[in-house]
Amino acid sequence: DAEITQSPRHKITETGRQVTLACHQTWNHNNMFWYRQDLGHGLRLIHYSYGVQDTNKGEVSDGYSVSRSNTEDLPLTLESAASSQTSVYFCASSEGTLLSDEQYFGPGTRLTVT
Amino acid sequence: LAKTTQPISMDSYEGQEVNITCSHNNIATNDYITWYQQFPSQGPRFIIQGYKTKVTNEVASLFIPADRKSSTLSLPRVSLSDTAVYYCLVGKYNNNDMRFGAGTRLTVKP
Repeated sequence: DAEITQSPRHKITETGRQVTLACHQTWNHNNMFWYRQDLGHGLRLIHYSYGVQDTNKGEVSDGYSVSRSNTEDLPLTLESAASSQTSVYFCASSEGTLLSDEQYFGPGTRLTVT
Repeated sequence: LAKTTQPISMDSYEGQEVNITCSHNNIATNDYITWYQQFPSQGPRFIIQGYKTKVTNEVASLFIPADRKSSTLSLPRVSLSDTAVYYCLVGKYNNNDMRFGAGTRLTVKP
């Protein structure tokens, strides 16, 4: 069955380190998204991509970057981790040409920056 | 920006119908309304999507009035397993203005 996976599921890192969170989907979806979820804020969009070599900034993109070299993967990189980036990160993908199309979410990565 | 407003929390009992309303006064012409459900330690899951009037699927109904400034998610005969956070989402293609609301925490009691 097609799925979307994230790794690692849990990560503890130190302030200033570079961290990369992986997202892999086997739906063959064109659209992929990264969100962060914090108490009191719901989900906030970090970056998104409509296809290979395409990336776009979301609501809270500062301090994060993504690259899309193939259809299946959209890794999220924190260039220099900060305590404010402690959060749960969700990756999602969708098939269609509408951003509002159903998004399939991964299980999440809990990141702690100490 | 199509900001959404939802109640922070709601309580219900098993077997009752639950209606959760989302306000989106600034909804644009091309915006769709989508609802997601999220259980603890899991990613959100799509429930239903609509543009206008009424949409129904096997798990919920979505009511959208003519002015589209609000929408109501209706869950018929809820069970304990419907306890979750429900998000209202308004947005359109090719725009980073896709925003989840703060979510409504629904607690279903026996």
